[in-house]
Amino acid sequence: KAGVTQTPRYLIKTRGQQVTLSCSPISGHRSVSWYQQTPGQGLQFLFEYFSETQRNKGNFPGRFSGRQFSNSRSEMNVSTLELGDSALYLCASSLKSTGELFFGEGSRLTVL
Amino acid sequence: KQEVTQIPAALSVPEGENLVLNCSFTDSAIYNLQWFRQDPGKGLTSLLLIQSSQREQTSGRLNASLDKSSGRSTLYIAASQPGDSATYLCAVRSLNAGGTSYGKLTFGQGTILTVHP
Repeated sequence: KAGVTQTPRYLIKTRGQQVTLSCSPISGHRSVSWYQQTPGQGLQFLFEYFSETQRNKGNFPGRFSGRQFSNSRSEMNVSTLELGDSALYLCASSLKSTGELFFGEGSRLTVL
Repeated sequence: KQEVTQIPAALSVPEGENLVLNCSFTDSAIYNLQWFRQDPGKGLTSLLLIQSSQREQTSGRLNASLDKSSGRSTLYIAASQPGDSATYLCAVRSLNAGGTSYGKLTFGQGTILTVHP
């Protein structure tokens, strides 16, 4: 059974640009959540989707947005990139019944 | 607002020792608690999941306990090995506002474990 797949794994952007990250959950998982990990702030929750609906949202500015498609795949978008957005962005999927999270390897974003 | 604290922040032990990692949380209205390990530059690997109605879970050399009333969980690692060296993270899933399903996930800052031969 394939795990959670995130693309791209690495990317470099410049300030002011925007970026879109993709996440394919484990087959059968309909819940997808996103996290930002930085050395200073640790792991912080961005948002969570279930059946194409956003269920929970963290405390991030509106530049961070996401969506989920009918096949449960999810994308997150960050607009007007800032240097502080440099981070490892992690996606996780879960079964609603247990809530156990399974993480992908992450997308490492560097903003120059 | 849920806050999760992990103690110690770092731990270095010789191979073969038994060790305990601690996780405390401020709001006892939780849905579940999950322990992860993270190797440098990698994603998170799930170790153990404890539902709010459970007291402990075991997997191989790992045992995790949960005491909701005191807001604490411990991860016990028996007979540690160099391959156990990693950052261990505790994540608490709160109940939603209605108390009927799961809400937001809050992570601790992690414990960096080094097991030396």
